[in-house]
Amino acid sequence: KNEVEQSPQNLTAQEGEFITINCSYSVGISALHWLQQHPGGGIVSLFMLSSGKKKHGRLIATINIQEKHSSLHITASHPRDSAVYICAVRFTNTGNQFYFGTGTSLTVIP
Amino acid sequence: KAGVTQTPRYLIKTRGQQVTLSCSPISGHRSVSWYQQTPGQGLQFLFEYFSETQRNKGNFPGRFSGRQFSNSRSEMNVSTLELGDSALYLCASSLTSGSRQETQYFGPGTRLLVL
Repeated sequence: KNEVEQSPQNLTAQEGEFITINCSYSVGISALHWLQQHPGGGIVSLFMLSSGKKKHGRLIATINIQEKHSSLHITASHPRDSAVYICAVRFTNTGNQFYFGTGTSLTVIP
Repeated sequence: KAGVTQTPRYLIKTRGQQVTLSCSPISGHRSVSWYQQTPGQGLQFLFEYFSETQRNKGNFPGRFSGRQFSNSRSEMNVSTLELGDSALYLCASSLTSGSRQETQYFGPGTRLLVL
């Protein structure tokens, strides 16, 4: 069964803290995406991963294909990072459709 | 380049009515996917269109349908609206449908409230 699990569901951090959000999936994937959704609904794709690690500014995303696990890290968190972060995967046994995690609601307090 | 646009942004309907939502992809993008987002179920895939053909369909009843025009603009239609159809409907576009490694670009969404 194609499943995506994300943790934690909610996260509150002090400004400057290092943050980790985790995503696990059930079967083989062709790609994993990390998405960011701000209040109001707009979604931005942060990273697309099929292996290894990617970095963009203070954001780092890693994936371990053997363990079927990915993490999104935010270094030196800032209140503007407050958003919902969503893990989305494309499984190799399905078409092009995304399967989504439940999202992690992050609040960074000044 | 202009981003993905969706119209209308907000919509209120009553049970039993039907609704049509529109999505204009980024210029040059030929694939459009639709998603439903609710507090209870999160984000769920509805369908994907590429070159006017439906390529994939999620697990939604037949009341949900869509189409894509020759200019890649897409519409989705929900007939006989139910209260549970209240949601944020998002569309996303990408250049092609064949590459699973491709990034999708999301529109701002249409927030539908069914009373």
